[in-house]
Amino acid sequence: LAKTTQPISMDSYEGQEVNITCSHNNIATNDYITWYQQFPSQGPRFIIQGYKTKVTNEVASLFIPADRKSSTLSLPRVSLSDTAVYYCLVGLLYNFNKFYFGSGTKLNVKP
Amino acid sequence: DARVTQTPRHKVTEMGQEVTMRCQPILGHNTVFWYRQTMMQGLELLAYFRNRAPLDDSGMPKDRFSAEMPDATLATLKIQPSEPRDSAVYFCASGLPQGEVETQYFGPGTRLLVL
Repeated sequence: LAKTTQPISMDSYEGQEVNITCSHNNIATNDYITWYQQFPSQGPRFIIQGYKTKVTNEVASLFIPADRKSSTLSLPRVSLSDTAVYYCLVGLLYNFNKFYFGSGTKLNVKP
Repeated sequence: DARVTQTPRHKVTEMGQEVTMRCQPILGHNTVFWYRQTMMQGLELLAYFRNRAPLDDSGMPKDRFSAEMPDATLATLKIQPSEPRDSAVYFCASGLPQGEVETQYFGPGTRLLVL
């Protein structure tokens, strides 16, 4: 079971780019990396998923180095509404019993 | 905008009572998950189903918890008898593999308080 390590919390200001790094030293060859966002009193929401190099969508970018032992979620120009908990998950697609949410990173965006 | 729905949204009950939580997955999704979230343990996967068949429920206390999918539009999680330590937010999520991407869509959760 590939567990992940993330910072417990991070602070940022509106308009800044935020990078949250996740360590997953025991990632397996076929594992994918997925990030979720959770607002208070809501269920987690999918942000982005990738296997290697770089993935970008309308919300964020995901950077994965060649050794895949870590990954970085990049949020461009954050706003107050990006204040949330961000979870990094590592696991084999379709084998959800292997996914582990961990404690996540609490991002606090200040005005 | 298709969403996962859960009922009830809030439930307060007394220890020993039966609790039933319901989930309606997004139409067409073939995977359903039950999670429990507490401050101490975070998000824990309790069980999940694919095409209505239970694939894994190893995270669920077997003596008091049970999960079923009577049909493709309804998933249930029951606790009998309930205990104060079951107090948590219970999330249902559904998913559908699409190529190399697999995402889970979470419902709003059922906030359970067992007194």
